[in-house]
Amino acid sequence: DAGITQSPRHKVTETGTPVTLRCHQTENHRYMYWYRQDPGHGLRLIHYSYGVKDTDKGEVSDGYSVSRSKTEDFLLTLESATSSQTSVYFCAISESTGVPEAFFGQGTRLTVV
Amino acid sequence: DQQVKQNSPSLSVQEGRISILNCDYTNSMFDYFLWYKKYPAEGPTFLISISSIKDKNEDGRFTVFLNKSAKHLSLHIVPSQPGDSAVYFCAASEYQGAQKLVFGQGTRLTINP
Repeated sequence: DAGITQSPRHKVTETGTPVTLRCHQTENHRYMYWYRQDPGHGLRLIHYSYGVKDTDKGEVSDGYSVSRSKTEDFLLTLESATSSQTSVYFCAISESTGVPEAFFGQGTRLTVV
Repeated sequence: DQQVKQNSPSLSVQEGRISILNCDYTNSMFDYFLWYKKYPAEGPTFLISISSIKDKNEDGRFTVFLNKSAKHLSLHIVPSQPGDSAVYFCAASEYQGAQKLVFGQGTRLTINP
């Protein structure tokens, strides 16, 4: 199994509070991603990183920010959580060559009440 | 606008028979396609992939077929086993690798004994 750890695994938070989810990898992969999974939508890309301090927006980036200060860590921040951000969040890693797949973490279930 | 579509939310197949899962896409820039399998409370796990320069890729019981002219791919599982019961996602990338994946909505496969 690829070394990807997401924390926390579960979180309940109140509307309007900031929340940070962490993804840690031990594979030294260049690319890191945050996806959210919602019924009827599959997985949708929120933000991704192609190197330390290099990040870009995905399909559903509004309300989210990210940071990558080290190769191994990719943080997703909800500046002011809303109920529409209740979801399961997955971190993934990939390389540009040689590896045919992206590896996913186990997910973080976030509930905004 | 859903660029990758899995139009069957669910599929039920008898053990030992063939399971065929379908996926359609609209973006002609997609160059690489993958299938992932997901069990509840776990992250997606990679099954099989195919490059746009091929029309078939086989790995054990799993075969992926790509029809570029129809913008359609399918996953065949034969013979189907109870452990194959899961949600299956197809995904596509504009790169020759698993970068910035765009996912379909998923198909829940149930294998009946």
